[in-house]
Amino acid sequence: AIQMTQSPSSLSASVGDRVTITCRASQGIRNDLGWYQQKPGKAPKLLIYGSSSLQSGVPSRFSGSGSGTDFTLTISSLQPEDFATYYCLQDYDYRWTFGQGTKVELK
Amino acid sequence: QVQLVQSGAEVKKPGASVKVSCKASGYSFTAYYVNWVRQAPGQGLEWMGSISPSSGDTDYAQSFQGRITMTRDTSVSTAYMELSRLRSDDTAIYYCARGRDFWGLGTLVTVSS
Repeated sequence: AIQMTQSPSSLSASVGDRVTITCRASQGIRNDLGWYQQKPGKAPKLLIYGSSSLQSGVPSRFSGSGSGTDFTLTISSLQPEDFATYYCLQDYDYRWTFGQGTKVELK
Repeated sequence: QVQLVQSGAEVKKPGASVKVSCKASGYSFTAYYVNWVRQAPGQGLEWMGSISPSSGDTDYAQSFQGRITMTRDTSVSTAYMELSRLRSDDTAIYYCARGRDFWGLGTLVTVSS
């Protein structure tokens, strides 16, 4: 099974900060990677698919990059509503695997 | 609009089975795989398996092999996930998802004696 290693597991940031979260796959997955945001008590929400494509309705401050094994989610200017947990997901292999999650907290 | 409506919360005893439903609307049910993902309290997301609504073909995560069954009823655009021989560590929210983009709100399954 493809392993996804996500880092950091948590981070503290302020409104307006630039935030970067990374995911590394245990083998090449082309660009078959998505990023989700999850708020407490809610279902995960797709932000990015295909490594860098913005899901409809998602603010442009979210961006994704990477290919092969190394991927990045960037929030260019953190907003109050962005404090949440973020997960990467590989769907290169139909047997999905998620990263462990990154909790973004208020500094 | 796309909607996935899941069945309500369940409380089960260890050793029992649970069957969660996921009713789709707003799109062609047979056009997208349905995936099931669970999340234990305070934990991350775990993929359980998927089903093709058109063919009924399934694929399950190794950790659930032998305990999980996914089915669908195309006449009512509903997918089902049944987990048997429940243990306390199966306590979790169970989500269905259309492909990777639309998710249901989740079904809480509590396993407790």
